[in-house]
Amino acid sequence: SSELTQDPAVSVALGQTVRITCQGDTLRDFYATWYQKKPGQAPVLVIHANNNRPSGIPDRFSGSRSGDTASLTITGVQAEDEAVYYCNSRDSSANHLFGGGTKLTVL
Amino acid sequence: QVTLRESGPALVKPTQTLTLTCTFSGFSLTTRGMGVTWIRQPPGKALEWLALVDWDNDKYYSRSLKTRLTVSWDSSENQVVLTMTNIDPLDTATYYCARVKWQRLDTYFDYWGQGILVAVST
Repeated sequence: SSELTQDPAVSVALGQTVRITCQGDTLRDFYATWYQKKPGQAPVLVIHANNNRPSGIPDRFSGSRSGDTASLTITGVQAEDEAVYYCNSRDSSANHLFGGGTKLTVL
Repeated sequence: QVTLRESGPALVKPTQTLTLTCTFSGFSLTTRGMGVTWIRQPPGKALEWLALVDWDNDKYYSRSLKTRLTVSWDSSENQVVLTMTNIDPLDTATYYCARVKWQRLDTYFDYWGQGILVAVST
């Protein structure tokens, strides 16, 4: 069955760069989307179509894909970036999938 | 301005049917490439996609929950309704609805409601 795999947690020092990855076979055929989720708040779309940033999302957020792995990179991490990041995609049956989430801690 | 708002019961008893309503504004679900989706997050767990209805009134469901879910669209009221049968305490979660932008290989959820916490308990 289709699934998306993420590392459970990653930490980064303030101002440094962090990469969060998401692996799954469906990413070879369909774009990855990334959402930021903070406690008590609705998820926020930060990247779609692998590397497109919606308006209002800071340009320190970027995305990429290579083979079956998509990545979200935050360059110059800020304290407000501390959150859980979820990757998302779909398969050929329009079944949508979320990864297990990566908790980003800013040190 | 695009807005979505979830409504429904805060507490449901096991085995009952849960009905949630997503009332939206600022876009038309009849526009090609638009949709509304439902997603939930149990306490301390990951987001889980549940169902989606698109501009053509086509419906898509999570494989694991397909037998329990129904999504419907009331175009006269700009509402999308999700029903989930045979509710279990494991269905306790915050339920979100979100607008869908559907393109050929790129589907994303760009506006979200604030979510509604539904607890399942006797």
